[in-house]
Amino acid sequence: AQSVAQPEDQVNVAEGNPLTVKCTYSVSGNPYLFWYVQYPNRGLQFLLKYITGDNLVKGSYGFEAEFNKSQTSFHLKKPSALVSDSALYFCAVRVPGYSSASKIIFGSGTRLSIRP
Amino acid sequence: DGGITQSPKYLFRKEGQNVTLSCEQNLNHDAMYWYRQDPGQGLRLIYYSQIVNDFQKGDIAEGYSVSREKKESFPLTVTSAQKNPTAFYLCASRPNGEKLFFGSGTQLSVL
Repeated sequence: AQSVAQPEDQVNVAEGNPLTVKCTYSVSGNPYLFWYVQYPNRGLQFLLKYITGDNLVKGSYGFEAEFNKSQTSFHLKKPSALVSDSALYFCAVRVPGYSSASKIIFGSGTRLSIRP
Repeated sequence: DGGITQSPKYLFRKEGQNVTLSCEQNLNHDAMYWYRQDPGQGLRLIYYSQIVNDFQKGDIAEGYSVSREKKESFPLTVTSAQKNPTAFYLCASRPNGEKLFFGSGTQLSVL
């Protein structure tokens, strides 16, 4: 079955330290991979995506993600965390298909908490 | 001012009642999506549509229905068959091959 897993419900990091939010996927073919962020009572905002090419992609607010095909992972990273990075983060995958519509599924989310 | 508008922001449903959540976009996007968000379960796909008059069931379509009569509109009806409708509902649209753009959501609660 197609799925996206975020194994950590919560990640706690001190401000200034590097952070990693993990994501693995189970999808046949070559998926498109995304990270989104959600602030309280709001819709989701796009951070970055991987379609093809360089395995390290850079996105908004200093975030980057590394695609690893052999491990089917797409972990989100940032070299130095800010308190304002505290939010709910979602990994998503666009499932390859032959129909005109594209199914996009999400992980369960990881709450990132940055302490001053 | 372009974007996706979801209304209402808060909605209450009585037992046995159908309710409809509105989603309108003026971004000229072809694809539109409905997701349900429950605490600890992330976003689950209800329905999605690539073009007018065509839509597909997502992973949790039971108890829901949609229509896509116009490109800019993708309303979601929560029917009385949906026994646990309390959740935060998010609508999104997407241009070809690109990221999703989300509305600000509708919180549905049962009276």
